[in-house]
Amino acid sequence: RKEVEQDPGPFNVPEGATVAFNCTYSNSASQSFFWYRQDCRKEPKLLMSVYSSGNEDGRFTAQLNRASQYISLLIRDSKLSDSATYLCVVNGQAGGTSYGKLTFGQGTILTVHP
Amino acid sequence: DAEITQSPRHKITETGRQVTLACHQTWNHNNMFWYRQDLGHGLRLIHYSYGVQDTNKGEVSDGYSVSRSNTEDLPLTLESAASSQTSVYFCASSSGDRRQETQYFGPGTRLLVL
Repeated sequence: RKEVEQDPGPFNVPEGATVAFNCTYSNSASQSFFWYRQDCRKEPKLLMSVYSSGNEDGRFTAQLNRASQYISLLIRDSKLSDSATYLCVVNGQAGGTSYGKLTFGQGTILTVHP
Repeated sequence: DAEITQSPRHKITETGRQVTLACHQTWNHNNMFWYRQDLGHGLRLIHYSYGVQDTNKGEVSDGYSVSRSNTEDLPLTLESAASSQTSVYFCASSSGDRRQETQYFGPGTRLLVL
């Protein structure tokens, strides 16, 4: 089983749509969770951190369910500029040997069309 | 502005040659990482460093080496390039502050081994 699993998609949605991505992780001791965005042939960039209480940044909402080891990202009112690959990312346990090391999911491809 | 750079951005080499990819960051970050990204595998950790003179193997370290002689640089060396090492290589850094775990990525190096 992969440490971080995502539905690779692709997701093709019209502008204005709401789209949700899901991710599961296998290490129950994982401490930190993130969504990164990667544009075609570019480097990954942090989109947002994911907190236990859930957090929102404009049109983006991230949720974490530690009991189910599940992370989600919701994008509302999709824009053409949201087209990218979204990477679910998990950090290791604080104080453990894996701390500071990120484990990436394979990414979910999103295409927003007019 | 602080940044992280990689060079060269594109490289073509032959099987068996030694190749070194440069990574330089000006954030004064303690942690530096090298990843490779391939279709079907996502981003995989090659080597990482938590400070000067510290280096550690990641999940796909065979055939690669790194050295950390100063804070700013973590060069990645392919000892004897193989066609299986054709990939996109990303360098990243993070501060090491447990509250600031965001990794910042360089623009990537596209390596083709013939």
